Amino acid sequence: DQQVKQNSPSLSVQEGRISILNCDYTNSMFDYFLWYKKYPAEGPTFLISISSIKDKNEDGRFTVFLNKSAKHLSLHIVPSQPGDSAVYFCAATSSLHTGANSKLTFGKGITLSVRP
Amino acid sequence: KAGVTQTPRYLIKTRGQQVTLSCSPISGHRSVSWYQQTPGQGLQFLFEYFSETQRNKGNFPGRFSGRQFSNSRSEMNVSTLELGDSALYLCASSRDVETTNEKLFFGSGTQLSVL
Repeated sequence: DQQVKQNSPSLSVQEGRISILNCDYTNSMFDYFLWYKKYPAEGPTFLISISSIKDKNEDGRFTVFLNKSAKHLSLHIVPSQPGDSAVYFCAATSSLHTGANSKLTFGKGITLSVRP
Repeated sequence: KAGVTQTPRYLIKTRGQQVTLSCSPISGHRSVSWYQQTPGQGLQFLFEYFSETQRNKGNFPGRFSGRQFSNSRSEMNVSTLELGDSALYLCASSRDVETTNEKLFFGSGTQLSVL
């Protein structure tokens, strides 16, 4: 049972345009959400996170939106750059668990391609 | 500051064998967790160690085990390898497990191929 779903396996956008990556979750206990970026032959690197007490978190070109009622979050990248081409993983956890930040439930990832 | 180091980078084994993977966390990080990445399932949590104790465990069979040493270095072991164990095994470390704000830092992984 996939508790974190990234239903679109890939996304292609033009450089300079907005990239919107979507993620849905089913577990109501999740209250902290993260996005990781992964380049080939490297481990995932943390990008941005959001707590369930917020509905938006912004960091430079990256903004994450959380809609708790819909159990949906999205990552917006504006403007998109060719260096953003990577696999993006959505992840979630519950602060009720000891070691919550280590026990993340990941989606299957979205491959973003930014065309020059 | 050195990142999370995993060795070896690549491994080829045959069915039925066992394998040990090693992970050195970032200096000062006390929590080490392991994830399996496969094309079909994405990243799946295996287990997490803190202060030499397994704190959390994912839904993997008992063939998958791990341990953590007093210097926070960790090893994971897979016994009686199956073809389906072929995957990228990622180790991650974090400083403190008490808050969800602590980020996980991942190593580059060990690519295991089971023939």
